[in-house]
Amino acid sequence: SAVISQKPSRDICQRGTSLTIQCQVDSQVTMMFWYRQQPGQSLTLIATANQGSEATYESGFVIDKFPISRPNLTFSTLTVSNMSPEDSSIYLCSVELWREGEQFFGPGTRLTVL
Amino acid sequence: QKEVEQNSGPLSVPEGAIASLNCTYSDRVSQSFFWYRQYSGKSPELIMSIYSNGDKEDGRFTAQLNKASQYVSLLIRDSQPSDSATYLCAVNTGNQFYFGTGTSLTVIP
Repeated sequence: SAVISQKPSRDICQRGTSLTIQCQVDSQVTMMFWYRQQPGQSLTLIATANQGSEATYESGFVIDKFPISRPNLTFSTLTVSNMSPEDSSIYLCSVELWREGEQFFGPGTRLTVL
Repeated sequence: QKEVEQNSGPLSVPEGAIASLNCTYSDRVSQSFFWYRQYSGKSPELIMSIYSNGDKEDGRFTAQLNKASQYVSLLIRDSQPSDSATYLCAVNTGNQFYFGTGTSLTVIP
C-alpha cells in the first residue's frame, strides 16, 4: 500500500468562500481520484486527477466548482469553490497503485459549510 | 440498474458467528473485485482483493467470486465486535472503478 496524507483533516467554512484540500502520496502514482462522501452515503467520484493534463470530471461535477491540480506524480489538490451548506461532506483522495487496480484512500477531509 | 449492488443492511450477527456479505455487479467484463471496510468517521480500508473465480482466504476473511453469476461475497468467520463497520464492494472494469453503497454490519457481543 501507500501512505496518503490529506490536509486539512477538517475545516469549518463560511458560505461563498473556497477551500483547497491537499493530497500527498509517499510514492509516484499514475491515477489519483477525488471522492465525496456525504453522511450515511456511499462514495461519489468527483474526478480523476491526471498528471500533466486536465482532470476528468464525472457527471454532475464541473471544473469551475471543483478545480483540481496535479503538478506531479505524488501530489494533487481539490478546491471546493463558492461553497454552500450542500458542500458539507467528507472529501477523500485515493490512488490506484497496482496493475490490478486496487485503490487506497487518504484519511479524508471533513468539511462543514455554515 | 446500478453497476454494483449490495444489501444496505443493517446486518446483525452474534459474536463468533459467520457474517456473510453479498454483492452483484452488472458489467460482465469486470476484471478485479475488492472489499473495503469503513469504520464510522474513517476512510475506506482495503481488506480483500479477488481476481479469479473461486475462494480466496485471508485470516478470518474469505472472498468468493462467481463471474458466471456476476456475484462476489465476503465471509467473516468468528465475527468480533471490532468487525462492526460498513463493508463496501468495489469492481474495476478496466475502465472504471465502481463502489456499492455498502452493507452495515453489527457484531453483537
